[in-house]
Amino acid sequence: DTAVSQTPKYLVTQMGNDKSIKCEQNLGHDTMYWYKQDSKKFLKIMFSYNNKELIINETVPNRFSPKSPDKAHLNLHINSLELGDSAVYFCASSHSDQYQYEQYFGPGTRLTVT
Amino acid sequence: QKEVEQNSGPLSVPEGAIASLNCTYSDRGSQSFFWYRQYSGKSPELIMSIYSNGDKEDGRFTAQLNKASQYVSLLIRDSQPSDSATYLCAVNLLLILTGGGNKLTFGTGTQLKVEL
Repeated sequence: DTAVSQTPKYLVTQMGNDKSIKCEQNLGHDTMYWYKQDSKKFLKIMFSYNNKELIINETVPNRFSPKSPDKAHLNLHINSLELGDSAVYFCASSHSDQYQYEQYFGPGTRLTVT
Repeated sequence: QKEVEQNSGPLSVPEGAIASLNCTYSDRGSQSFFWYRQYSGKSPELIMSIYSNGDKEDGRFTAQLNKASQYVSLLIRDSQPSDSATYLCAVNLLLILTGGGNKLTFGTGTQLKVEL
């Protein structure tokens, strides 16, 4: 009965490669998010989708491309990986209702670029 | 000025004591406020949400919000060693013009150590 799940949990790859991370939620939420947590543990939003529509796109290199096939799934594809992309990537989901903003996080994907 | 500020700690308290964690935010339009707990190597776990001024209690946890002072705090009573973690304050700004959803801005977290 996992609420927000991500695959893979660990990803080790070389510079220049392309990789994808997948996220799924079974909470019935209509909004999903990608966050990046760097080595200093700072958690920063990258993207947000509401009902498959991109609504938040922070200053992120265009090598990062999110895709939401439906409101329960949100994927993140990264092209031409760089050393600085090494981080933990978290998926999260929430309702968009005014009083149900709580976001719930997936277990994270630890990406290491060598 | 950072959008959400927290003292990085570590904050050390003895077992059984009250731990007090503080957070200030800069955007007066912020509408909802959250505390997350993150154990090392794990994902953030929501422990409290608060939407209006005053106190909100849930078990050993009490969240306090003062919008006039742009201040939110978390009290943990009867602290246990299992409470040792990093506590993240998160502040929400509703993106009315972009059709819903919300943008959480996180502080850098306060590391709490509960000592035996």
